[in-house]
Amino acid sequence: DTGVSQNPRHKITKRGQNVTFRCDPISEHNRLYWYRQTLGQGPEFLTYFQNEAQLEKSRLLSDRFSAERPKGSFSTLEIQRTEQGDSAMYLCASSPLNPEAFFGQGTRLTVV
Amino acid sequence: SQKIEQNSEALNIQEGKTATLTCNYTNYSPAYLQWYRQDPGRGPVFLLLIRENEKEKRKERLKVTFDTTLKQSLFHITASQPADSATYLCALNTGGFKTIFGAGTRLFVKA
Repeated sequence: DTGVSQNPRHKITKRGQNVTFRCDPISEHNRLYWYRQTLGQGPEFLTYFQNEAQLEKSRLLSDRFSAERPKGSFSTLEIQRTEQGDSAMYLCASSPLNPEAFFGQGTRLTVV
Repeated sequence: SQKIEQNSEALNIQEGKTATLTCNYTNYSPAYLQWYRQDPGRGPVFLLLIRENEKEKRKERLKVTFDTTLKQSLFHITASQPADSATYLCALNTGGFKTIFGAGTRLFVKA
């Protein structure tokens, strides 16, 4: 499968714990995005990478959230000191120079 | 403030009919607009992109129109099938890196 891969698919964590999600984009895509989606809403932009450079970060992203793309390939999204409001689907997408984005299946986070 | 609005109510239509979904936006001047399909528990799938200088775009049974004066895009599915049942998301790019999505419209096609 040469699509965008996200792991894990599901994560249940206790409030206050740290979690890390991984995204493997399509190999020739140099653009990578993270989005968050809650029930009944569209994906909400979190951050954008072009190769290894993080070029934009949403103001909605608190300092508990950090994302990396160390070698311009896979990316990780870490949430520290999770809160119940962090429960959502976290989506990763990649694209070539075209604007259309290819999404992964997402990681569903539940904070209990 | 900037807003993208899609019908929050679900659209129910009979198989074989044309489904028309609406996307309205305010306070944006998008360079292009995209439509995605999303099935429950899965990531969105890209369908069509239309640029600001294009009035209409077609792909098989899909058609998108883009009226930058009305600030509106219409998404049509002709000869609809039950397999077309899904949530359809409108998304705007403003020439930068960020894509803003609407909340989506749920479509149900009855056999």
